[in-house]
Amino acid sequence: AQSVTQLDSHVSVSEGTPVLLRCNYSSSYSPSLFWYVQHPNKGLQLLLKYTSAATLVKGINGFEAEFKKSETSFHLTKPSAHMSDAAEYFCVVSSGNTPLVFGKGTRLSVIA
Amino acid sequence: DGGITQSPKYLFRKEGQNVTLSCEQNLNHDAMYWYRQDPGQGLRLIYYSQIVNDFQKGDIAEGYSVSREKKESFPLTVTSAQKNPTAFYLCASNSQGLAGPTQYFGPGTRLTVL
Repeated sequence: AQSVTQLDSHVSVSEGTPVLLRCNYSSSYSPSLFWYVQHPNKGLQLLLKYTSAATLVKGINGFEAEFKKSETSFHLTKPSAHMSDAAEYFCVVSSGNTPLVFGKGTRLSVIA
Repeated sequence: DGGITQSPKYLFRKEGQNVTLSCEQNLNHDAMYWYRQDPGQGLRLIYYSQIVNDFQKGDIAEGYSVSREKKESFPLTVTSAQKNPTAFYLCASNSQGLAGPTQYFGPGTRLTVL
């Protein structure tokens, strides 16, 4: 069985400061892990994915995430937040061809 | 211009009526999915189809039905049996790459029951 826990439902940062969105996962097999972003009333856009290659994954818009097997974590980071980063972020886990399992989401607010 | 299209963007329905949400993709993906999104609950899987003429129930299939007669199309019908249908509905499809499957999403349909 798989599960994913996003540790914060809401994160607020000032523009230009670092972003950290936390995600822990549980999976019986070697997982694939994803981060998606959703702007209001839009579909989900893939930010990045981990599939057992390099543990540090770089994505779009300056985001990156590090897979830490010992901590079962896949936290999303960005060095400097922009106003346009304000959105909902979802951490997702999958193994093979099983359906994706979504976290409940973290809403990121960016303060000018 | 490749992608996943969903129509309509906004849909209003009276109680007791069935309504069908459209999902089309021209990405040549075999697998397609329907999710429901409610505030604070993330995405929940309604139905998925891994190949034409076959589909499986997800976690919350009651009150919904689907068909997969063509590879490009995976329509979702919200029936009158669905007790609380007001939600944002997202369609997705999977690409199968060397590094494993990746799911891509359409823009969504917001359904409101009046």
